Amino acid sequence: DIQMTQSPSSLSASVGDRVTITCRASQSINRNLIWYQQKPGKAPKLLIYPASTLQSGVPSRFSGSGSGTDFTLTISSLQPEDFATYYCQQSYSTPLTFGGGTKVEIK
Amino acid sequence: QVQLVESGGGLVKPGESLRLSCAASGFTISDYYMSWIRQAPGKGLEWVSYISSSSGNTIYYGESVKGRFTISRDSAKNSLYLQMNSLRVEDTAVYYCAAPRRGYDKVFDFWGQGTLVTVSS
Repeated sequence: DIQMTQSPSSLSASVGDRVTITCRASQSINRNLIWYQQKPGKAPKLLIYPASTLQSGVPSRFSGSGSGTDFTLTISSLQPEDFATYYCQQSYSTPLTFGGGTKVEIK
Repeated sequence: QVQLVESGGGLVKPGESLRLSCAASGFTISDYYMSWIRQAPGKGLEWVSYISSSSGNTIYYGESVKGRFTISRDSAKNSLYLQMNSLRVEDTAVYYCAAPRRGYDKVFDFWGQGTLVTVSS
């Protein structure tokens, strides 16, 4: 199974900050990496696939990059509505696996 | 528009069974890979199972549920199901059904609201 490791597991940031979340796969997954945003009590929302394509309607302050085993999600200027938990997921092979999540909190 | 509505969750004792349903509208589930994904309270996401489109009929399960859970669909009702047998305390979670982004079978674009399964004695 491919293990997905996210870091950090949580971070505190202020509105306007640049935030970077990393996701590392235990083996190469090419560019088959997806990012989701989840707010409390809600289902996850698709943000970016595969690796760098922004889902329709997602603000351009979100961006994704990487290939192989190392990926990043960047929020260029954090907004109040961005405080949430972010998950990466690999779609390269079954079983599909998620990272442990990164909770972005208000500083 | 695409809508997924799960039902069937509840409180059961260890060893008991439960059947979850996911009613879809706005698209035909047999044309797409459909998945169940769960989230234990306060924890991360765990993929549980998927069933491929009817042209392939491939089914996969996560190791933690293999042999106990069965995924199926009813094309006439446009619904997805998850039969859960021999439930364990560690199966306690919110269960989501999810449909993919067109052209990307394992990218989850559409999610239901989730249904809570609690396994406790």
